[in-house]
Amino acid sequence: GAVVSQHPSRVICKSGTSVKIECRSLDFQATTMFWYRQFPKQSLMLMATSNEGSKATYEQGVEKDKFLINHASLTLSTLTVTSAHPEDSSFYICSAVDRGRGNQPQHFGDGTRLSIL
Amino acid sequence: QKEVEQNSGPLSVPEGAIASLNCTYSDRVSQSFFWYRQYSGKSPELIMSIYSNGDKEDGRFTAQLNKASQYVSLLIRDSQPSDSATYLCAVKRNGQAGTALIFGKGTTLSVSS
Repeated sequence: GAVVSQHPSRVICKSGTSVKIECRSLDFQATTMFWYRQFPKQSLMLMATSNEGSKATYEQGVEKDKFLINHASLTLSTLTVTSAHPEDSSFYICSAVDRGRGNQPQHFGDGTRLSIL
Repeated sequence: QKEVEQNSGPLSVPEGAIASLNCTYSDRVSQSFFWYRQYSGKSPELIMSIYSNGDKEDGRFTAQLNKASQYVSLLIRDSQPSDSATYLCAVKRNGQAGTALIFGKGTTLSVSS
């Protein structure tokens, strides 16, 4: 089945550091990838929709200058948390949909647990 | 009104019982519905997808959809302790690949042995 790889799985870093998270679709092409954030005991909240070759669409309240998204190829999207602060500590999860198979379920990466000290 | 609502639980059932998880959604034009299972500290795992009114069965799992009532449910038969997890209901407005899922807060299921 469809596999989405997310890296790294865990990051611990100091406040002010920028952190890059990669999301790869391993056996399919994904024109669209999604980035979610999940705080403890909360649901997944959509942060942005990443479209290959174009600018990402951010949800209301998500700072596009702080959460930089690049989707340069059909198999890779990256999320960079710039100048991270403790309140950015969360579980970040990406998902991808197989190109052209619009109604297929999204498949999720394993997530990245980000801890900012 | 939240877009996708679930009872947060916890829902506790004994091993071997049927667990019934419910979800309502507010956007009447929603077309696609999914149930994901999430273990603590892990990412969601797809359990079932359903697109048409009625029941859809897959092993011990049955998804039920009633678009008129804007209601979707998941039944787990012969519940096992390994089914203990948070179950997330997700809704998609249309069939386009570029449309994101909207998640409920999830229902925590605890199956006791």
